[in-house]
Formats: sequence, structure tokens, C-alpha cells
Amino acid sequence: DIQMTQSPSSLSASLGDRVTITCRASQTIRNYLNWYQQKPGKAPKLLISGASSLQSGVPSSFSGSGSGTDFTLTISSLQPEDFATYYCQQSYSTPWTFGQGTTVEIK
Amino acid sequence: QVQLQESGPGLVKPSETLSLTCTVSGGSISTYYWSWIRQPPGKGLEWIGYIYYSGSTNYSPSLNSRVTMSVHTSKNQFSLRLSSVTAADTAVYFCARGGTILGFDSWGQGTLVSVSS
Repeated sequence: DIQMTQSPSSLSASLGDRVTITCRASQTIRNYLNWYQQKPGKAPKLLISGASSLQSGVPSSFSGSGSGTDFTLTISSLQPEDFATYYCQQSYSTPWTFGQGTTVEIK
Repeated sequence: QVQLQESGPGLVKPSETLSLTCTVSGGSISTYYWSWIRQPPGKGLEWIGYIYYSGSTNYSPSLNSRVTMSVHTSKNQFSLRLSSVTAADTAVYFCARGGTILGFDSWGQGTLVSVSS
């Protein structure tokens, strides 16, 4: 199985801050990397697929980059609705696997 | 806009079989992959497996011996059966559209299944 490791596990940030979350794969996954946002009690929401393709309706403040084994999710200016847990997921080979999650909290 | 809704018992006894159904509305179940994903309370996400509308399946090796998925195209539904459950199978179970390189783009709201006697 491909292991996905996110860092940090949690972070505190203020409104308007630029936030970066990192995801590392245990082997190359080319650009087969997806990012999700999950709020408490809700299902995850797909934000970005293919490492950098923003899903329809997702604010342009979100962006993704990377290829191979190292990827980043960036929120350029943190908004109140962005406080949530973020997961990366590889879709290079089954079993599809997720990172452990990064919780973005209000400072 | 496709919508997914999980249904099934919220409590299952140890050693018994967990059975859930996902009903798809607002779109056809055909031509897509459909997955089950679970999340133990307070923990991360685990992919269980997917089924294609044709009936072909791909299960996570960690659960492969206990999982069966089926699709019911006439009802626009697909189902999950997980046998010989233990407390470690207690989780919120989500159904989702996807199982390819494009990720999971639509999700049900999730249903909590507790394993307890």
C-alpha cells in the first residue's frame, strides 16, 4: 500500500493568513493526488484533483501543487469557512489511501 | 446534481454481518465507479472498495476477505456487506461516487454503525 503522510497534523492560523499543508507519498504517484475538506459531522468535499485541478465551485483561494512524492495544498487567505480538516488521497494505485488529516484551527 | 444516501442498521452485534445500501438520486448509477469509505470516530478515512456499474469490484486487501459489494442498477442502488464484524468496525460509513484517478466527487452524508452486543 502507498502510505500518505501529511504535515502538520494540526495548525492554528488567523483570518487572512496564508496556510500551506504538505502531503508526502511513500512512492511516486505522479500527479494522482486529491485534496478534501471535511467539517465536523459532514462528509468530505473534493477540493482538488490531479494535484492541481480545482473543482467547480471551490474558491480560487485554494490551490494545489506537486508531483511525484511531494504535494502541497495552499489557502492564500484564510476565511472563516476554511476552518476544517483537510485530507490528501492518492489515486495512483489501489488500495486508494488517505493521509491522516490536517486540522486547521482558529488562532 | 447527484445525491447519495446511505441506509441500514445503526447497531450490529459482534461476529454478525453489517449491511448498508446507498441510493443514488439525481443521476444514473451507470457509467460510474461507486465506493464505500469509512471513518472510525475521531479518526481518518479508510477506503473499503469500489464497484463499477457493471458489477466488477476492487476491495481493499485489509478487508477483502470480509467484504462483498453489489450493484442494483434498476433501483439505482449499490450495497456493502461486511462480515464477522468486531468493535474495530465501528465507524461512520460513507458511500461516494468515484474510485478512479479523479477522486471521490460526491458523497453521502454518512451513517454511523456501531458494533456492540
